[in-house]
Amino acid sequence: GNSVTQMEGPVTLSEEAFLTINCTYTATGYPSLFWYVQYPGEGLQLLLKATKADDKGSNKGFEATYRKETTSFHLEKGSVQVSDSAVYFCALSEGTGNQFYFGTGTSLTVIP
Amino acid sequence: NAGVTQTPKFRILKIGQSMTLQCTQDMNHNYMYWYRQDPGMGLKLIYYSVGAGITDKGEVPNGYNVSRSTTEDFPLRLELAAPSQTSVYFCASRRTAYNEQFFGPGTRLTVL
Repeated sequence: GNSVTQMEGPVTLSEEAFLTINCTYTATGYPSLFWYVQYPGEGLQLLLKATKADDKGSNKGFEATYRKETTSFHLEKGSVQVSDSAVYFCALSEGTGNQFYFGTGTSLTVIP
Repeated sequence: NAGVTQTPKFRILKIGQSMTLQCTQDMNHNYMYWYRQDPGMGLKLIYYSVGAGITDKGEVPNGYNVSRSTTEDFPLRLELAAPSQTSVYFCASRRTAYNEQFFGPGTRLTVL
């Protein structure tokens, strides 16, 4: 079956620190992979995506590379800001794309 | 455009009561989804629809019903509320052939 495993949080970083949030997946075919971000009190927003192996998704300084050999899609940012404090979800869709599977989310707090 | 709207924002139900969570999108998206988000559990798909008149079960459909009579609306019905249905419910939509889902702000439901 399909599933997504994320590193557990919460994660607390100082401003300008380097961020990595690990995500690995299990899928029977060739999934598309996503990172969504949820700010307090809001719904999820798409942060970035990759649709095939070796693709790199990027947005707002965040990056993630689709690694088929390690079934991973780790999220990275070189220098986090206080405004990046949020919950980050890794997700996949496969085949028809009718269904999406989400990880449990990783809470990030950035302190000044 | 308002995007995806959900009503109500908050609701408290007694065990055994019923209610309908409303979801409307004004983007003419064919696909619509209902998820529940429990603490530390990520998002679980309840039901989805690929177009008006077509619905299908997701991972956790028990205790819920949906209908899709128009492209814009996708209400979620709880017939006999149980404490296990205490959660935050998110509605989402997407265009055919595009992977990005657009989420509503959520409905926080408590069943006592």
